[in-house]
Amino acid sequence: GAVVSQHPSRVICKSGTSVKIECRSLDFQATTMFWYRQFPKQSLMLMATSNEGSKATYEQGVEKDKFLINHASLTLSTLTVTSAHPEDSSFYICSARGKGLLQGEQYFGPGTRLTVT
Amino acid sequence: AQSVTQPDIHITVSEGASLELRCNYSYGATPYLFWYVQSPGQGLQLLLKYFSGDTLVQGIKGFEAEFKRSQSSFNLRKPSVHWSDAAEYFCAVVKAAGNKLTFGGGTRVLVKP
Repeated sequence: GAVVSQHPSRVICKSGTSVKIECRSLDFQATTMFWYRQFPKQSLMLMATSNEGSKATYEQGVEKDKFLINHASLTLSTLTVTSAHPEDSSFYICSARGKGLLQGEQYFGPGTRLTVT
Repeated sequence: AQSVTQPDIHITVSEGASLELRCNYSYGATPYLFWYVQSPGQGLQLLLKYFSGDTLVQGIKGFEAEFKRSQSSFNLRKPSVHWSDAAEYFCAVVKAAGNKLTFGGGTRVLVKP
């Protein structure tokens, strides 16, 4: 099956710094990537959708200047949390879909746990 | 707006017993339906999906789900639970015209020995 990786799996950063999370599709070309946020014991909330080569579409309430998403190639998308604060601490999960998939089908990465101190 | 409801936040089941997780959706038309499983600190793994056709869907790990249009439900079942089935389970839907998944709140399954 299709594999999506994320790096790093865990990151701790100080308040005010920026953190970049990578999401890669390892064995397929991801025309669309999604970024989710999951608070402890809660469900996944979609943050944004990115299509390769175009600007990301952010969900309502998500600050685009704080959560910078780049989808520069068909196998890589990055999420940069700028000027991170403790309230940004969360589990960030990406997913990807490529050609040939039925609607809604996505392959999920293993997630990145961000802790802001 | 579409929504997905998983009424049970926690379920505890004995190993070897049957399991049923409930999922109800609110949407005008029949959406595409998914069940995912998430182990602690991990991403999501697709268990099964329903797009059309036979309303009883077989998935991986011995799971199955039944789509009932009249009840707007897509309940997940497993006849005999194994200790490794302890995890968080999410039901999700996507509108027929889109690709964005809407997740239910999740049900945490605990398996007693």
